Amino acid sequence: QVQLVQSGAEVKKPGSSVKVSCKASGGTFSSYTISWVRQAPGQGLEWMGRIIPILGIANYAQKFQGRVTITADKSTSTAYMELSSLRSEDTAVYYCARSKVEMATIRNLAFDYWGQGTLVTVSS
Amino acid sequence: DIQMTQSPSSLSASVGDRVTITCRASQGISNYLAWFQQKPGKAPKSLIYAASSLQSGVPSKFSGSGSGTDFTLTISSLQPEDFATYYCQQYNSYPPTFGPGTKVDIK
Repeated sequence: QVQLVQSGAEVKKPGSSVKVSCKASGGTFSSYTISWVRQAPGQGLEWMGRIIPILGIANYAQKFQGRVTITADKSTSTAYMELSSLRSEDTAVYYCARSKVEMATIRNLAFDYWGQGTLVTVSS
Repeated sequence: DIQMTQSPSSLSASVGDRVTITCRASQGISNYLAWFQQKPGKAPKSLIYAASSLQSGVPSKFSGSGSGTDFTLTISSLQPEDFATYYCQQYNSYPPTFGPGTKVDIK
C-alpha cells in the first residue's frame, strides 16, 4: 500500500526558510516523480516543481524559480521541498504527490497518490 | 502556461442526482487530463487519469470523457460522500496546471 507521509506543521518568520519532507513507502521510489503542490487558504491548487529521483532532475515553476529547491534521498525514499525568503503569501498547505514519468519525454503523468499535507504559516 | 477553466464554479445537487462538471483547456492537451476530489481539510484524491481512466479503487459511478480542449467529469448517482470540490488538471505541458475547482454541495 503506497503512502506518502509528510513532516509536521511549521510556523516561520518572514524572510526565513522552511524545509518539508515527504517519505514514500509501498512502492519503488526511484521509478516515480515527486511533485510539490501548494494550496493557500480557501484557494486552489498550484504546482511548484518536481523531482525525478532516478535521474536526479528537478524542475520548477517559473513563479518559484530561485526560491524553491526540491531534492530526494533515494536511500530513505524521502523527497524534500525547501522554500526560502518566506513571505505571508506563502502561508499554505503544501502537498507532495507521486506520478509516473513518461521517459521518452520526461513528462509527468497523472498524480496517483498524495501526502497528507503540511501547513506552513508565515507570520511575524 | 495552459489555462484551465471549470464550469460551474459551484452547484447544489441532491442525493441520487447525476452531476456533470466541465473542464476546458486554453489549448489542446490531447487526453493528458486528470480529475481530483478534495474534501475540506483533506488532501486531494486522484479519481481519473488520461481523461477517462479510473484510478485504482475509484468507484465506477465516476466517469470522465473528452479530448483536446473539452472534458467532462460525471458522477452517475450522487451520494453523501461525494459532496466535495472537484479539480481538473492538465499534464500535457509544463507547468502542470489546475482548474479553479467546482464545489458540489447539498441542495
